[in-house]
Amino acid sequence: RKEVEQDPGPFNVPEGATVAFNCTYSNSASQSFFWYRQDCRKEPKLLMSVYSSGNEDGRFTAQLNRASQYISLLIRDSKLSDSATYLCVVNRQSGYSTLTFGKGTMLLVSP
Amino acid sequence: GAGVSQSPSNKVTEKGKDVELRCDPISGHTALYWYRQRLGQGLEFLIYFQGNSAPDKSGLPSDRFSAERTGESVSTLTIQRTQQEDSAVYLCASRRGHSYEQYFGPGTRLTVT
Repeated sequence: RKEVEQDPGPFNVPEGATVAFNCTYSNSASQSFFWYRQDCRKEPKLLMSVYSSGNEDGRFTAQLNRASQYISLLIRDSKLSDSATYLCVVNRQSGYSTLTFGKGTMLLVSP
Repeated sequence: GAGVSQSPSNKVTEKGKDVELRCDPISGHTALYWYRQRLGQGLEFLIYFQGNSAPDKSGLPSDRFSAERTGESVSTLTIQRTQQEDSAVYLCASRRGHSYEQYFGPGTRLTVT
């Protein structure tokens, strides 16, 4: 089983739609979880951290299910500018040292 | 403020040649990472530097790959005797001491012909 698995997509949605991505991770000892965003031919950038209680940042909501070892990202009221690849990221071990990046889920928002 | 910078932005080299890629991290960031991203693929961890500790080289794919970092400043990634499968974007990231967030540079796109 891969350390971090994501559906590669693409997810094609119209503007204004709600879309959700899931990600599963294999290391039950992982403590920290993140979503990064990567635009085409650009570097990844942190979108948001994922907290145990779930967290929201504007139109974005992240959830963590430790029992099932999956993380989700919900995007409401999709914008054209949301088109990107969303990377699920998990820390490999305790501490801050290393993160494992999923291969990403591509989102395409159309007018 | 200044972000992570990498040079060159693009590099085309012939198979068998050596290449050196450079990364300038954000000032004050103690941790530095190198990743490789092949076309359409995810990020592949290569090496991690943390202050003056021994680097974590567990991701280097072969002994043709090496990296150095002087203190908490510039890092260079060297690929010897390049092969076509080395063609990829090489991304550098840096991080502050007590933070998970990694800040990425724009990458060096390496093409081996």
